Amino acid sequence: IVMTQSPLSLPVTPGEPASISCRSSQSLVNSNGYTQLGWYLQKPGQSPQLLIYLVSNRASGVPGRFSGSGSGTDFTLKISRVEAEDVGVYYCMQTLQSPYTFGPGTRVDLK
Amino acid sequence: QVQLVQSGAEVKKPGASVKLSCRTSGYTFTGRAVHWLRQVPGQRPECLGYINAGNGNIRYSPNFLDRLTFTSDTSATTAYMELSSLRSEDTAVYYCARDGGWTYGTTLFDYWGQGALVTVS
Repeated sequence: IVMTQSPLSLPVTPGEPASISCRSSQSLVNSNGYTQLGWYLQKPGQSPQLLIYLVSNRASGVPGRFSGSGSGTDFTLKISRVEAEDVGVYYCMQTLQSPYTFGPGTRVDLK
Repeated sequence: QVQLVQSGAEVKKPGASVKLSCRTSGYTFTGRAVHWLRQVPGQRPECLGYINAGNGNIRYSPNFLDRLTFTSDTSATTAYMELSSLRSEDTAVYYCARDGGWTYGTTLFDYWGQGALVTVS
């Protein structure tokens, strides 16, 4: 399954919202009706960290300013008000079909 | 607290093999699969497969079927990844990650190792 993202680079102003799109080459809905799409953030020099799973569920400890939405093949990650600590590369990832695949990443940095 | 601690950086010659370890703690090792991924600097992560020491399931990415071996030592709560016939394109940071998604009906990587740089040159 091929994952694409847009934009690939996103300069943001602290306090402003940000939005990242992700698209899959086929539906990510499994036989149980669950959509196998997650979001990860890789901060500079760190391992990726889980933000969102099953499209819209925030992982433990993830701030409420992060939200995920979408269905089928089109998904969105939104940050309601960007903070300085949110800089890094955001990846969407599908876990419907092995090998699981990531999008190319969206680099978010501050203006 | 849950931790995954990986072995250190390696430098290997083309054609050699490398074996990395991922020592886990803070949870029941046999209750969660451990996945292996790699990331060439500046590129997206790539999933290599996983091992579940609890039920014995092992899955490899089709791209590495003949070169990759996952093993585990339950007494040491450690997972291992061995990649053989190394080539320059295998130069990457290799990660292990815990699959915490069983109860949610999905696969999700909720804890990651710190990564281990493998350089093939």
